[in-house]
Amino acid sequence: QKEVEQDPGPLSVPEGAIVSLNCTYSNSAFQYFMWYRQYSRKGPELLMYTYSSGNKEDGRFTAQVDKSSKYISLFIRDSQPSDSATYLCAMRPDSWGKLQFGSGTQVVVTP
Amino acid sequence: NAGVTQTPKFRVLKTGQSMTLLCAQDMNHEYMYWYRQDPGMGLRLIHYSVGEGTTAKGEVPDGYNVSRLKKQNFLLGLESAAPSQTSVYFCASRGGLAGVNEQFFGPGTRLTVL
Repeated sequence: QKEVEQDPGPLSVPEGAIVSLNCTYSNSAFQYFMWYRQYSRKGPELLMYTYSSGNKEDGRFTAQVDKSSKYISLFIRDSQPSDSATYLCAMRPDSWGKLQFGSGTQVVVTP
Repeated sequence: NAGVTQTPKFRVLKTGQSMTLLCAQDMNHEYMYWYRQDPGMGLRLIHYSVGEGTTAKGEVPDGYNVSRLKKQNFLLGLESAAPSQTSVYFCASRGGLAGVNEQFFGPGTRLTVL
């Protein structure tokens, strides 16, 4: 069983809808949580970073971490066609540890 | 700043051939990583380095070797390529405080082994 599970999608939504993405994990030691966005044929780029539990908001993006349930989420409000990409969750147990990635969820926002 | 660059962008090899992928970063980062990305498998760590002159194995190191002779460069070698090594290879670098300088990725190298 993988340490980090992520639904591969694709997740198709109309423009303006809320996109909801999530990952579950099994290692309770994970403390640092990230979301990366990867456009087709490009390298991943960091979108959101969260330490421990709680919410973090950045513009149209909100990241949530629920350590008690070992569950993290990413919400994209007012989705745009330019949000069409693969979103990867990533996490690690300490400040300098290796990142463990989910397999990514493909999101398609249709105009 | 160019960030993280990778050379070459594309390559086709025959089984048994060798090649070296070059990763360069201009951000003075200590940590560098090599990943491979395959459909449905996500990013898997091949090897990584915590500083100049150091290397360590990741999750899938077999069939690959690496070297970090200079801080800004991280080389990934395939001594005898196999079709199972057909993949997209990403290099990443990281430095500084957690959350401030998280992993920056290069644009990737698409490798096909026939």
